[in-house]
Amino acid sequence: NAGVTQTPKFRILKIGQSMTLQCTQDMNHNYMYWYRQDPGMGLKLIYYSVGAGITDKGEVPNGYNVSRSTTEDFPLRLELAAPSQTSVYFCASSSPGRDYGYTFGSGTRLTVV
Amino acid sequence: AQRVTQPEKLLSVFKGAPVELKCNYSYSGSPELFWYVQYSRQRLQLLLRHISRESIKGFTADLNKGETSFHLKKPFAQEEDSAMYYCASIRNTGNQFYFGTGTSLTVIP
Repeated sequence: NAGVTQTPKFRILKIGQSMTLQCTQDMNHNYMYWYRQDPGMGLKLIYYSVGAGITDKGEVPNGYNVSRSTTEDFPLRLELAAPSQTSVYFCASSSPGRDYGYTFGSGTRLTVV
Repeated sequence: AQRVTQPEKLLSVFKGAPVELKCNYSYSGSPELFWYVQYSRQRLQLLLRHISRESIKGFTADLNKGETSFHLKKPFAQEEDSAMYYCASIRNTGNQFYFGTGTSLTVIP
């Protein structure tokens, strides 16, 4: 049982380049999330999904896109990378019901230069 | 809006000393609060949920509605407790968590 798997672990992008951060979970969780973690700023929600085919914006969605074609996968797309997107990105999943916390992936450290 | 505030960015204590990480919330209704921990170079993981009233790794957290607080406490800090701690509240829709800005705890040997 792998939990939540994120790839890649590290990436350096040039300004204007695009990339997709992959996230997959094998726990059959309906809910999935993308957060970014900036020093001193905590975690900010970028996008979330409550099920396949359903996505919605979080607090900081600008510059990102997501899709949820399957229950397992929730990729995050950066179309035109900017230095402000330098951050650590975490994917997480959970089951419905407030008793359950999140299961987090190990993170992707992205640097835009 | 549901928000949590962690007033301390950094906290240092000596090994064996008590530790308290502060978390205050602003919430309309019954809050549902959690503590997450992130050890160096590891993923975030759930530490405590207030609804279960559990004690994990010697940590406890009591919901104080009068003070709107959910402070994390441990009577005797250990070096392995050094980590980043996040307080979080849950939003109704889609199980979204609001995270505090985090407190970095260093336990000095």
